[in-house]
Amino acid sequence: EAGVAQSPRYKIIEKRQSVAFWCNPISGHATLYWYQQILGQGPKLLIQFQNNGVVDDSQLPKDRFSAERLKGVDSTLKIQPAKLEDSAVYLCASSLGTGRTYEQYFGPGTRLTVT
Amino acid sequence: AQSVSQHNHHVILSEAASLELGCNYSYGGTVNLFWYVQYPGQHLQLLLKYFSGDPLVKGIKGFEAEFIKSKFSFNLRKPSVQWSDTAEYFCAGWNNAGNMLTFGGGTRLMVKP
Repeated sequence: EAGVAQSPRYKIIEKRQSVAFWCNPISGHATLYWYQQILGQGPKLLIQFQNNGVVDDSQLPKDRFSAERLKGVDSTLKIQPAKLEDSAVYLCASSLGTGRTYEQYFGPGTRLTVT
Repeated sequence: AQSVSQHNHHVILSEAASLELGCNYSYGGTVNLFWYVQYPGQHLQLLLKYFSGDPLVKGIKGFEAEFIKSKFSFNLRKPSVQWSDTAEYFCAGWNNAGNMLTFGGGTRLMVKP
């Protein structure tokens, strides 16, 4: 089966610019996650969707980050305006359902560099 | 706060050496723990997981981990590593309060041929 797809794979922008990342989860997976992985650290959950509804966005910096999953399939994560500290790999993951028993499948990530 | 920590940031081994990567968690209650691996240029994937029952969990590619409740540990082991095990390894725990995965900082393993 096809895995989680993400684009672009790499992005370089200047601070104060905006950027958007796209994710296509595994077909049939109801739950979609966005993680931020700063160099030298483990992934940190930013937001979790169940179908097209937000389950948890408590760690999303809402003053500059936004995410949507309008039709319950693809999702976009946006940063506007970007700061230097946003340089990281942004990972998308999906799972059949929500909760500890559902394995999360990760995409290849988008590496963002903010200069 | 519930957290997961990995003490070794970088490990270098020769082929056929034994591997043990440390992982400690800081919370009580129901404990669900995971090890993920990221091979160079590939996506993060699940190696093994512990939910309940036998504290010795076997995963893919000859890896195993032991849940020791008294030590709050879930160390990853492999008796004999191969060059192809070169990767970054992440320990993670299910954060009961936040209903989410909490990852450790990762251990970068290099196996010399």
